[in-house]
Amino acid sequence: GENVEQHPSTLSVQEGDSAVIKCTYSDSASNYFPWYKQELGKRPQLIIDIRSNVGEKKDQRIAVTLNKTAKHFSLHITETQPEDSAVYFCAASSGGYQKVTFGTGTKLQVIP
Amino acid sequence: NAGVTQTPKFQVLKTGQSMTLQCAQDMNHEYMSWYRQDPGMGLRLIHYSVGAGITDQGEVPNGYNVSRSTTEDFPLRLLSAAPSQTSVYFCASTEDGLETQYFGPGTRLLVL
Repeated sequence: GENVEQHPSTLSVQEGDSAVIKCTYSDSASNYFPWYKQELGKRPQLIIDIRSNVGEKKDQRIAVTLNKTAKHFSLHITETQPEDSAVYFCAASSGGYQKVTFGTGTKLQVIP
Repeated sequence: NAGVTQTPKFQVLKTGQSMTLQCAQDMNHEYMSWYRQDPGMGLRLIHYSVGAGITDQGEVPNGYNVSRSTTEDFPLRLLSAAPSQTSVYFCASTEDGLETQYFGPGTRLLVL
């Protein structure tokens, strides 16, 4: 089955700096890669996703890149703000009715 | 729309007791899942369902049962609770594995 590895497990950045979180996956059939943000005590919520026919996707300060050859994808947050502090999860799915596999999460702390 | 709802929010059980965690969604999603979240372990899939009457095991199914008699409801049963089942449980729904998963607010379970 699919295996998703996520690094780093914790990340501290100064406000205004950029943050990068990286994930690798094992199943070459995976073609959907979402990222979820979970604030303390809250439920995970989708912030951005990318599909295998796209190499990069941006949404304001958030971007995701995908390298299918190397089987890795990354989340980039620019101009970080204190409200970006949360746990971020990557995930991979081969779609249809196959299960979604999550990474172990990255705790991001943005220091004011 | 209420989205995905879960009850109870918090529960304390003694070892050996049984209970059912309730999950319901009003978005007419076919695909529903149960995850458990433990510190440093991310979101691990327990069971999932691709439609009424269809369920399958995830990564950590032992000690849990599910059924899916309607599209809306997907209860998770603990037949004989163990301390290792102390965790936060999230239910999620989506149209299919290639789309956003919507998570419920979670149930925090403590097994003594």
